[in-house]
Amino acid sequence: GAGVSQSPSNKVTEKGKDVELRCDPISGHTALYWYRQSLGQGLEFLIYFQGNSAPDKSGLPSDRFSAERTGGSVSTLTIQRTQQEDSAVYLCASSWRQGSYEQYFGPGTRLTVT
Amino acid sequence: DAKTTQPPSMDCAEGRAANLPCNHSTISGNEYVYWYRQIHSQGPQYIIHGLKNNETNEMASLIITEDRKSSTLILPHATLRDTAVYYCIPLSYNFNKFYFGSGTKLNVKP
Repeated sequence: GAGVSQSPSNKVTEKGKDVELRCDPISGHTALYWYRQSLGQGLEFLIYFQGNSAPDKSGLPSDRFSAERTGGSVSTLTIQRTQQEDSAVYLCASSWRQGSYEQYFGPGTRLTVT
Repeated sequence: DAKTTQPPSMDCAEGRAANLPCNHSTISGNEYVYWYRQIHSQGPQYIIHGLKNNETNEMASLIITEDRKSSTLILPHATLRDTAVYYCIPLSYNFNKFYFGSGTKLNVKP
């Protein structure tokens, strides 16, 4: 079946612009996670959804970052007034439920802020 | 969450077994040991996990020491496609997020 998909695969934006990153999880997966990975670094947790609610937003680095999930499926991560330090690969993962040992990751969106 | 120590890089000849160690001396009793890998330019991929017994699946074997302070991931017959960064992650059962450290870069050579 189809895996986790993310769009766009690459995004170049100017400093100060807003960007939206999209994640389509595997059908039926109730948990959805956003991470980011800077060059040569490990994964940094951002936020997770169980259904449409986000019990844990502790990883969002600032109030410029927000995310929503509608219909228990597609999720959008929005970064407002982008800064150069926001440049990273943004990864989305989904799983059958919170705490499931196997998270399925998408290919990521590479964001470059110039 | 427990801290982990992994060698930054390892080499392995194609067709030979790759043994990747991980030290997790501060692991707590309810934390499992998970292994993921990340091939260049791809998202992380689940490999295997275990609590205290050794585990085996179609991808790898996981050996956990009796005191649970360390573990070894074994790829029995490494191929060039196994070249990746391998992450050892202790997590409690009801986890909701991963923290990946720097992992071990495994280079499989022909």
